[in-house]
Amino acid sequence: DAKTTQPNSMESNEEEPVHLPCNHSTISGTDYIHWYRQLPSQGPEYVIHGLTSNVNNRMASLAIAEDRKSSTLILHRATLRDAAVYYCILRPSYSGAGSYQLTFGKGTKLSVIP
Amino acid sequence: DTAVSQTPKYLVTQMGNDKSIKCEQNLGHDTMYWYKQDSKKFLKIMFSYNNKELIINETVPNRFSPKSPDKAHLNLHINSLELGDSAVYFCASSQGRTVRESYGYTFGSGTRLTVV
Repeated sequence: DAKTTQPNSMESNEEEPVHLPCNHSTISGTDYIHWYRQLPSQGPEYVIHGLTSNVNNRMASLAIAEDRKSSTLILHRATLRDAAVYYCILRPSYSGAGSYQLTFGKGTKLSVIP
Repeated sequence: DTAVSQTPKYLVTQMGNDKSIKCEQNLGHDTMYWYKQDSKKFLKIMFSYNNKELIINETVPNRFSPKSPDKAHLNLHINSLELGDSAVYFCASSQGRTVRESYGYTFGSGTRLTVV
């Protein structure tokens, strides 16, 4: 399985942008880059995903490097509700057993300072 | 309406007992999963079902038996509960076919199982 590397923790001030990095140097051409977050005492929540192009949705933006070996999740304006563990995950897109699971790493614990 | 619902939310039981956790999704997804999150917060997949068929069965003791009566339900039955089974169990669903697209998972809010 392709692996991802994220910082253990990050801090951000409230109302400032946050850039959460993820390295995935062994990514294959069929892997989608997924981001999830887990707020305290809740289940993981889908944030965004992409393949090659940058993606935007109402929650965040995903910037993918041209060589796809790294990506950055961007929260444009951090709020206290964004304090969570953020997971960067590679998900194969082929129709095989591997496509039927998300493998979670340790993630990045984001703290938001008021 | 809750997209993925699990019951119960909390479960406290004695060692040796048998218990079940139920999961239902109303998203029309064809794949459902069980994940376990231990005290160190690692999330590990246990089972994956696609259209009621077992796809993934990770290294999980035989005491754990998933059952999928239909595409919208995936229940988890645990026999002879042990102290080490204490964890939070999450159910999830997704659209499983990923030939050309990759879909997000929707997770339930979890069942906190405590074995005493």
